[in-house]
Amino acid sequence: KNEVEQSPQNLTAQEGEFITINCSYSVGISALHWLQQHPGGGIVSLFMLSSGKKKHGRLIATINIQEKHSSLHITASHPRDSAVYICAGSTKTSGSRLTFGEGTQLTVNP
Amino acid sequence: GAVVSQHPSRVICKSGTSVKIECRSLDFQATTMFWYRQFPKQSLMLMATSNEGSKATYEQGVEKDKFLINHASLTLSTLTVTSAHPEDSSFYICSASPPGGHNEQFFGPGTRLTVL
Repeated sequence: KNEVEQSPQNLTAQEGEFITINCSYSVGISALHWLQQHPGGGIVSLFMLSSGKKKHGRLIATINIQEKHSSLHITASHPRDSAVYICAGSTKTSGSRLTFGEGTQLTVNP
Repeated sequence: GAVVSQHPSRVICKSGTSVKIECRSLDFQATTMFWYRQFPKQSLMLMATSNEGSKATYEQGVEKDKFLINHASLTLSTLTVTSAHPEDSSFYICSASPPGGHNEQFFGPGTRLTVL
């Protein structure tokens, strides 16, 4: 069992739909990262959070420390949101070293 | 936000040659840089952690003599794939972490290596 697990692995949506990607982790983490990887390969850090909720534009990330669970939400999805979304955790002992989930491939159709 | 660059973005080389990939933090000093490789449809795999002025820490199974890492300054780390073989073909990504950055990491755009 991976320390960081994501669901679903693949997600297809129609433009405008509300999207949720889930991430569960089995180890205590100090920070949970959500990353976006476009087909070209470059990775963008979307959020880093250790508690509560963060919002940036149409993206919202939440984390529940007690339940060891985080979600990434995309409101009013758009084809340009199509990408792989990766959650990753870092622990107090690992510092910046990240443990990655396997990613969720999101495809938003027009 | 902070910017990390990688050079080259793509490289094709012959088997047996060595390839150097550069990772630079453009607007901050990075005491720690990480090198990852990613095979198609898979997640990132950490290869090594590079600390400025000291030897890199390699993950289990990663050959330090094959993947040479040099972190000569607070803004530059290099990964040299020595005596490259076709199985080394992969996507190599670096990330950089600023000091006191509270676990923040900023990722480079990646380097696509193809070994013929």
